[in-house]
Amino acid sequence: DTGVSQNPRHKITKRGQNVTFRCDPISEHNRLYWYRQTLGQGPEFLTYFQNEAQLEKSRLLSDRFSAERPKGSFSTLEIQRTEQGDSAMYLCASSRQGNIQYFGAGTRLSVL
Amino acid sequence: GENVEQHPSTLSVQEGDSAVIKCTYSDSASNYFPWYKQELGKGPQLIIDIRSNVGEKKDQRIAVTLNKTAKHFSLHITETQPEDSAVYFCAANPTSGNTPLVFGKGTRLSVIA
Repeated sequence: DTGVSQNPRHKITKRGQNVTFRCDPISEHNRLYWYRQTLGQGPEFLTYFQNEAQLEKSRLLSDRFSAERPKGSFSTLEIQRTEQGDSAMYLCASSRQGNIQYFGAGTRLSVL
Repeated sequence: GENVEQHPSTLSVQEGDSAVIKCTYSDSASNYFPWYKQELGKGPQLIIDIRSNVGEKKDQRIAVTLNKTAKHFSLHITETQPEDSAVYFCAANPTSGNTPLVFGKGTRLSVIA
């Protein structure tokens, strides 16, 4: 059990650019979650997958955001045409169905 | 949907004293309540959780109590140590962890040596 891995740890980009983050969940965890955390707030749900199926998307996930989990293993979160308001920590978590959600260290995005 | 309120937002205690953080939730269907500790630059780490069929759970210096009637739950840390300093988040989930968690806004705990 190597834990949830997220890359990159930090990303600085200019407004209008596209960015992509990767999450590798704990092996054999069939559920994968994406959350966003801004300064002084708790994590807020964005979307989650069971295996390769995307089961739910939050209203926070605008059309500029897209997430995939093509083979039911790692997942990517892409933000197109980034805006300054997208600056946040993007957290990934994984779980076996019905059990504890384990979080990665997150990717901190700064949009200049 | 679920809404979780957490208090206080900041808490300072002397080393060795106890710390209590309280949360309330709105959705009576919620039945899973984890607590996470987040240190600077790290992701949230689960420290204890409780399910609705249990009123209290303890793990060494950490305990959680749940009052389903009042829809509130609390984290108790006894004999606090400087390494307990971190931000603590409560969360609620209506389906025992099967769906996304709804988090409180966090409590920044400072343990003063």
